[in-house]
Amino acid sequence: QVQLQESGPGLVKPSQTLSLTCTVSGGSISSGSYYWSWIRQPAGKGLEWIGRIYSTGSTDYNASLKSRVTISLDTSKNQFSLTLSSVTAADTAVYYCARDSHDLAGWDFDCWGQGTLITVSS
Amino acid sequence: DIQMTQSPSSLSASVGDRVTITCRASQSASNYLNWYQQKPGKAPNLLISAASTLQSGVPSRFSGSGSGTDFILTISSLQPEDFATYHCQQSYSIPWTFGQGTKVEIK
Repeated sequence: QVQLQESGPGLVKPSQTLSLTCTVSGGSISSGSYYWSWIRQPAGKGLEWIGRIYSTGSTDYNASLKSRVTISLDTSKNQFSLTLSSVTAADTAVYYCARDSHDLAGWDFDCWGQGTLITVSS
Repeated sequence: DIQMTQSPSSLSASVGDRVTITCRASQSASNYLNWYQQKPGKAPNLLISAASTLQSGVPSRFSGSGSGTDFILTISSLQPEDFATYHCQQSYSIPWTFGQGTKVEIK
């Protein structure tokens, strides 16, 4: 069974760059059947999709964050990563990594990491 | 972007009640609509995909319907473990977008 686990710094200073890694176990990130996504959720608020990456390295991003976001893949470590530049307090949230799976109609997030809280504060 | 609006934002219900949550898209999402359940401090869990396809292991008291812009999640008989927040999500066009969530609380 595929499992995902986020890792990151917990606390980031304003204007700095946030870096998170998602480690995938129980399956290969290179399988080619899935995209791998990042999603975030500010405390008490809804979910926001950040972007995703395919095994080929092809990416899709949310235009609202595109200028600050990069998602990359490390197949040797079975990991994918998120970098978010020029962070502000508005970027404080729980960040999830998730598997983006094609279904009968469209795509869905059928497997999630447990989430990691990122706080932006000086 | 397709905006997703859920109603109500929260509701109080008793065990055994029938519960209905609505999700409306700002433009057609066909049947590319998913529902997730999220419990406090946990990641969301996929309940229903393609508007009405129940995921393996999800109790049959959950059902989904709708297409185009209007979708419904129904819990036929609310159980204690169903008290949670429910999110809809469209996968018709990027960026994928979610509703704001509906919190189901104990009455």
